[in-house]
Amino acid sequence: AQKITQTQPGMFVQEKEAVTLDCTYDTSDQSYGLFWYKQPSSGEMIFLIYQGSYDEQNATEGRYSLNFQKARKSANLVISASQLGDSAMYFCAMRELYTGTASKLTFGTGTRLQVTL
Amino acid sequence: GAGVSQTPSNKVTEKGKYVELRCDPISGHTALYWYRQSLGQGPEFLIYFQGTGAADDSGLPNDRFFAVRPEGSVSTLKIQRTERGDSAVYLCASSGPAGSGYTFGSGTRLTVV
Repeated sequence: AQKITQTQPGMFVQEKEAVTLDCTYDTSDQSYGLFWYKQPSSGEMIFLIYQGSYDEQNATEGRYSLNFQKARKSANLVISASQLGDSAMYFCAMRELYTGTASKLTFGTGTRLQVTL
Repeated sequence: GAGVSQTPSNKVTEKGKYVELRCDPISGHTALYWYRQSLGQGPEFLIYFQGTGAADDSGLPNDRFFAVRPEGSVSTLKIQRTERGDSAVYLCASSGPAGSGYTFGSGTRLTVV
């Protein structure tokens, strides 16, 4: 079974600073995908970034980058130049790839990020 | 439609009543997922449809929960004899071909009083 662990229930960061949100995962599969989602107080899940298990380069999307360390089974999200609008819950998630039916996402418990002035 | 639409956005019901939650996925997305998110938790998988059939319903907590997708588009999550513990946000997501991403709806907040 897949498992996602996010050990930081809450994080604070000052505006314009960088912050790293931790995510470790456990799977016996060779092929999998890792996702990060942002959930503001309004409730919608906003896709941020994706990393495939066979991707050799770390994924980047604007101010978001994913620090993928396959041997350590970690997929930390780095947000650079934090903005007040980044305050939200952040979820790490994983899915199996290319298996018959199991394409569901497994989520961690989330990290609440608060950006301060 | 342009996004995943969930109705109603909020539902308050009395314990023991029956409720239906609706999800209208992105046009052309063959896969549809239901998740339940309790306060302070991450979303938990309930059921996944590929077309009209339930490909994986292993997350449904008990037989009071049931979901259908009769024409391979709109899906309805049905909860019988609601209990206070069913109170949560129910999220729906859809996805296109394998390897593509997921688009989530804004959820239905269910409160059982």
